[in-house]
Amino acid sequence: RKEVEQDPGPFNVPEGATVAFNCTYSNSASQSFFWYRQDCRKEPKLLMSVYSSGNEDGRFTAQLNRASQYISLLIRDSKLSDSATYLCVVSPGGYNKLIFGAGTRLAVHP
Amino acid sequence: ETGVTQSPTHLIKTRGQQVTLRCSSQSGHNTVSWYQQALGQGPQFIFQYYREEENGRGNFPPRFSGLQFPNYSSELNVNALELDDSALYLCASSGWGSPNEKLFFGSGTQLSVL
Repeated sequence: RKEVEQDPGPFNVPEGATVAFNCTYSNSASQSFFWYRQDCRKEPKLLMSVYSSGNEDGRFTAQLNRASQYISLLIRDSKLSDSATYLCVVSPGGYNKLIFGAGTRLAVHP
Repeated sequence: ETGVTQSPTHLIKTRGQQVTLRCSSQSGHNTVSWYQQALGQGPQFIFQYYREEENGRGNFPPRFSGLQFPNYSSELNVNALELDDSALYLCASSGWGSPNEKLFFGSGTQLSVL
């Protein structure tokens, strides 16, 4: 079983749609949680950290359920520029090792 | 943009050869991590260097080795290249003990092994 699992997609949605991505992780001792965005074969970039209380950044909302070991990302009012791969990322703590999921690809069309 | 630079950007090697990839960390960052990203996969942690010593290693064989220099720049060396080593190699720098949000990635080296 992979340490971080995501639906690979692709998710093809029209502009303005709301889309949700889900992710599960296997290590219950994981300390930190993130969503990264990666454009085609470029470096991953931090989209947002994920907290147990849930957090929002503009059109993006992230949720963490530690009991279920489940992380989600909601994107509202999708833009063409949101087209990318979204990587669910978990850190076990200690040194800065990040464990990435395989990513979910999003394609937003006009 | 992040201040982390990697070289070269692209590289083609043949099976059995050796390769060295380079990374210059962002100013003030003393910790460098290396990741391998195969096509269609997420980045996989190779190892991390702090104060010129390896500090944590992922599930990669010994033919993957590294160095960190006094100026905190780093090299990733891969010996006896295999076809499966074809991937995007990413370097990330941070200050020691920084939260993960302060991890900055370079734009990567695309390695193709033929």
